[in-house]
Amino acid sequence: ETGVTQSPTHLIKTRGQQVTLRCSSQSGHNTVSWYQQALGQGPQFIFQYYREEENGRGNFPPRFSGLQFPNYSSELNVNALELDDSALYLCASSLGGGVNYGYTFGSGTRLTVV
Amino acid sequence: ELKVEQNPLFLSMQEGKNYTIYCNYSTTSDRLYWYRQDPGKSLESLFVLLSNGAVKQEGRLMASLDTKARLSTLHITAAVHDLSATYFCAVNNDMRFGAGTRLTVKP
Repeated sequence: ETGVTQSPTHLIKTRGQQVTLRCSSQSGHNTVSWYQQALGQGPQFIFQYYREEENGRGNFPPRFSGLQFPNYSSELNVNALELDDSALYLCASSLGGGVNYGYTFGSGTRLTVV
Repeated sequence: ELKVEQNPLFLSMQEGKNYTIYCNYSTTSDRLYWYRQDPGKSLESLFVLLSNGAVKQEGRLMASLDTKARLSTLHITAAVHDLSATYFCAVNNDMRFGAGTRLTVKP
């Protein structure tokens, strides 16, 4: 059984560019959530997908968008990158809202915007 | 808007001592999670608490939930160096996180 895999692990982009981050959920998991974690802070909820439908969204602007595919893998897209978007982006998956074992997190994508 | 507050934010303990981390949240929730994060690493699930009065224990860590007080505690018993990490609580199905408690256990 594989865990949650995120790609790429590191990324450097220029302000104004667009970026796509990818997440492969743990086998059997149908829910995926994305988080932004700035250095020294707690993860901030971006949005959640359940069976390919958006199931909740945090306080992030529309330039943050996502997709979940039929195999439950997911993408996070960020348009018009800003310097403040520099952070660790974490993907977490679960089955049934993680009521038994919590969510399984990936190792994250470190995004630097210059 | 849901607010999740943890305290303390920083905790330095000696090995062998006991301490408690607190997690308060502002609105009703049907679940509370505790996670551990080591420096430069991702988050590891510790506990999921689903009902008032729930208590779970794993090794030197014990978590409890009081939904009426909107409070969860993470109690550390006889701390060891390996417990040094940042501990987060998170509330609701979509997991709104607290700021974390950075724990350092010193010999």
